[in-house]
Amino acid sequence: QVQLVESGGGLVKPGGSLRLSCAASGFTFSDYYMSWIRQAPGKGLEWVSYISSSGSTIYYADSVKGRFTISRDNAKNSLYLQMNSLRAEDTAVYYCARKGVAGKFDYWGQGTLVTVSS
Amino acid sequence: QPVLTQPPSASASLGASVTLTCTLSSGYSNYKVDWYQQRPGKGPRFVMRVGTGGIVGSKGDGIPDRFSVLGSGLNRYLTIKNIQEEDESDYHCGADHGSGSNFVWVFGGGTKLTVL
Repeated sequence: QVQLVESGGGLVKPGGSLRLSCAASGFTFSDYYMSWIRQAPGKGLEWVSYISSSGSTIYYADSVKGRFTISRDNAKNSLYLQMNSLRAEDTAVYYCARKGVAGKFDYWGQGTLVTVSS
Repeated sequence: QPVLTQPPSASASLGASVTLTCTLSSGYSNYKVDWYQQRPGKGPRFVMRVGTGGIVGSKGDGIPDRFSVLGSGLNRYLTIKNIQEEDESDYHCGADHGSGSNFVWVFGGGTKLTVL
């Protein structure tokens, strides 16, 4: 069955960096576009970034452009999010999600919590 | 880009029906919307996609027949019949928007459904 397992979250000071990982299994990872989506405490979902199956096409939300970098390693079935210059407003649970047929997010991980605080 | 608006809360009694609404901003009446269910403490799961013609494609894995969708004008509806305790969740709607070389995915604020 499809599984997405995020890791790498934690407590970081404002201005700091963190790298999130998402380990995928149960499907051919290299065939699918992938995305990061976050949810601040008590808030709705916010799309962060998306990467094509080959990694050649990448998009970012304006709120993270220039600070976050999405990447993938198809040989390791893994998705990454490098987060730099972190701000308090980046505090959220970060989910990785698979973009399935017709672009819907058909599978999500359980999320990893990032807390940005001094 | 479109803005998706959802009422923050809804409630329904066990066994009753409820309809949740996601409203697109003006000018986006042809957009399809995805519904996601998020149980407490869990990641979201895909429910189904809806356009003005109703469901687009198939439901998500394990979504019961009690869930259905409709679309009209700027509104996209998710109806749950014979509500069960396990339906108590946050329900989010989302849509993608591509413009030139840019792409964004937008979500509504979510509706918290309470089962009474």
